[in-house]
Amino acid sequence: ETGVTQSPTHLIKTRGQQVTLRCSSQSGHNTVSWYQQALGQGPQFIFQYYREEENGRGNFPPRFSGLQFPNYSSELNVNALELDDSALYLCASSLEPGEGSPLHFGNGTRLTVT
Amino acid sequence: AQSVTQLDSQVPVFEEAPVELRCNYSSSVSVYLFWYVQYPNQGLQLLLKYLSGSTLVESINGFEAEFNKSQTSFHLRKPSVHISDTAEYYCAVSLTGANNLFFGTGTRLTVIP
Repeated sequence: ETGVTQSPTHLIKTRGQQVTLRCSSQSGHNTVSWYQQALGQGPQFIFQYYREEENGRGNFPPRFSGLQFPNYSSELNVNALELDDSALYLCASSLEPGEGSPLHFGNGTRLTVT
Repeated sequence: AQSVTQLDSQVPVFEEAPVELRCNYSSSVSVYLFWYVQYPNQGLQLLLKYLSGSTLVESINGFEAEFNKSQTSFHLRKPSVHISDTAEYYCAVSLTGANNLFFGTGTRLTVIP
């Protein structure tokens, strides 16, 4: 089975710019979750998509948005980048929403905002 | 609100020695508990989870964790560590039926030869 892949692996952006991060979920997984991991911190939940609809959101502003596509790929978009957005962004896919379905994480995209 | 506290940010231990990584959680409702491991330059991998039933759960590589409801703890233990166990370990909690995990700040386990 193919795993979860994320692109790009590293990215440098300037404050105020917009960024799109991409994720390819494991085949057959209907659910994708995005997490932000700041340096020295645990991952924090941004939002989850299930069958192309948002299915839960953490404490992140609306400038963080997402899309999920029928081909098991998804995107995380961040507008008006701020310095504090610098972090490792993790995508995780699962068969179904909820805790009974294990999360499979990608290796992440490291975003640096200057 | 839920929170997870990992009391030790770094734990150095000699090879073949036992180790315990501590995790305490705070929640007013029932939760599910997880341990994830992150090896260098890799994503998080599920190590073990407690959903219900036996309070002692085990992983395939020798780790175990015990859910203690009265102490709100879910400590991770291994009786004899290997060099390959060197990694960052994250404890996480989710509300029953919820979609998201709350992670602790992680414990870096370093196994010394």
